[in-house]
Amino acid sequence: EAGVAQSPRYKIIEKRQSVAFWCNPISGHATLYWYQQILGQGPKLLIQFQNNGVVDDSQLPKDRFSAERLKGVDSTLKIQPAKLEDSAVYLCATRLAGANVLTFGAGSRLTVL
Amino acid sequence: DAKTTQPNSMESNEEEPVHLPCNHSTISGTDYIHWYRQLPSQGPEYVIHGLTSNVNNRMASLAIAEDRKSSTLILHRATLRDAAVYYCIWDSNYQLIWGAGTKLIIKP
Repeated sequence: EAGVAQSPRYKIIEKRQSVAFWCNPISGHATLYWYQQILGQGPKLLIQFQNNGVVDDSQLPKDRFSAERLKGVDSTLKIQPAKLEDSAVYLCATRLAGANVLTFGAGSRLTVL
Repeated sequence: DAKTTQPNSMESNEEEPVHLPCNHSTISGTDYIHWYRQLPSQGPEYVIHGLTSNVNNRMASLAIAEDRKSSTLILHRATLRDAAVYYCIWDSNYQLIWGAGTKLIIKP
């Protein structure tokens, strides 16, 4: 089966600019996660979707980050305006309903200058 | 406070077994323990998971303490391709609690 697709793989922007990341999950995977991984640290959950509904966005900085999952399939994560501390890899992961295993995409590396 | 605790790094010789420990002292009886690993410049990949019994698959074995406050990931014969950061994760009703990970260094 095809994996989790993410784009772009790399993005360099200046602070206060905006950026958007896209995730295409494995077909049929109802649960979708966005994680932020700062260099040298473990992934930190930003938001979790079940189909197109939000399950947990308690750690999403809502003043600058937003995410949506229209039609319960693809998802986009947006940062506006970006700060230096947003430099990180943004990982998308998906899971089949009721399953234990997550499948991760390769991630989108953001550098904010 | 829910969390997992892992050593920052471990070293092992190639072709030898590796035991990676994890503490999850406040885990509840229905929460699964997962292990994922992350190779450089890649997303994490699934290794193994379990609830109470020890588990084996083609990649590794998972030994879970009887009180479930700790677990150990066992790589039976480490190769250079096993060099990665290994994460112990506590799955509480599909909310995943990640540790900081153990960087495994394999010496040829």
